[in-house]
Amino acid sequence: EAGVTQFPSHSVIEKGQTVTLRCDPISGHDNLYWYRRVMGKEIKFLLHFVKESKQDESGMPNNRFLAERTGGTYSTLKVQPAELEDSGVYFCASSHPGQGSSGNTIYFGEGSWLTVV
Amino acid sequence: AQSVTQLGSHVSVSEGALVLLRCNYSSSVPPYLFWYVQYPNQGLQLLLKYTSAATLVKGINGFEAEFKKSETSFHLTKPSAHMSDAAEYFCAVSKTGNTGKLIFGQGTTLQVKP
Repeated sequence: EAGVTQFPSHSVIEKGQTVTLRCDPISGHDNLYWYRRVMGKEIKFLLHFVKESKQDESGMPNNRFLAERTGGTYSTLKVQPAELEDSGVYFCASSHPGQGSSGNTIYFGEGSWLTVV
Repeated sequence: AQSVTQLGSHVSVSEGALVLLRCNYSSSVPPYLFWYVQYPNQGLQLLLKYTSAATLVKGINGFEAEFKKSETSFHLTKPSAHMSDAAEYFCAVSKTGNTGKLIFGQGTTLQVKP
């Protein structure tokens, strides 16, 4: 079974440009999450989709970040325009539906490393 | 509000020695607790989780952790370190019943010396 896959694995862009990160969750996983780790900081929650709906987007830093999950399959996270402080690793994760009440096993991808110069 | 503190951003042990990675949490409700590991150039992998069943939780690769409510701790241990254990380890907490909003600690890098 394929795991959570993310693309691109690495991206270097200039300040002011746009970058779109893609995440393909494990097949059948309705829950999809985005997390971010800025250099030297802890991993922080960005948002949570249940199928195509945003369940919780309390961690999105500002309106330069836009996440979508059309059709409830893969998701994209767009940063527009990118700023220097957006540099970091963006992790996508997914889990089965209905696991929340029993303690989630959340499966993470390898991350997308974003460097804004 | 929930929070997680991992004591020590870097821990170094000799091969064969005990591994002890410390994690303390703060939560106003019964928590779920997790340890994740990130090997170089890989994603986060679940080592083990506590979900209010047994307080001593056994995970993969010989790791285990004990939930101690009185100490608000969930320390990760392994009796004998192996070179392949070198990685970054993350403790995380979520609210009971929550569907995946994890709060992570700062991470601890484990170095294993030959």
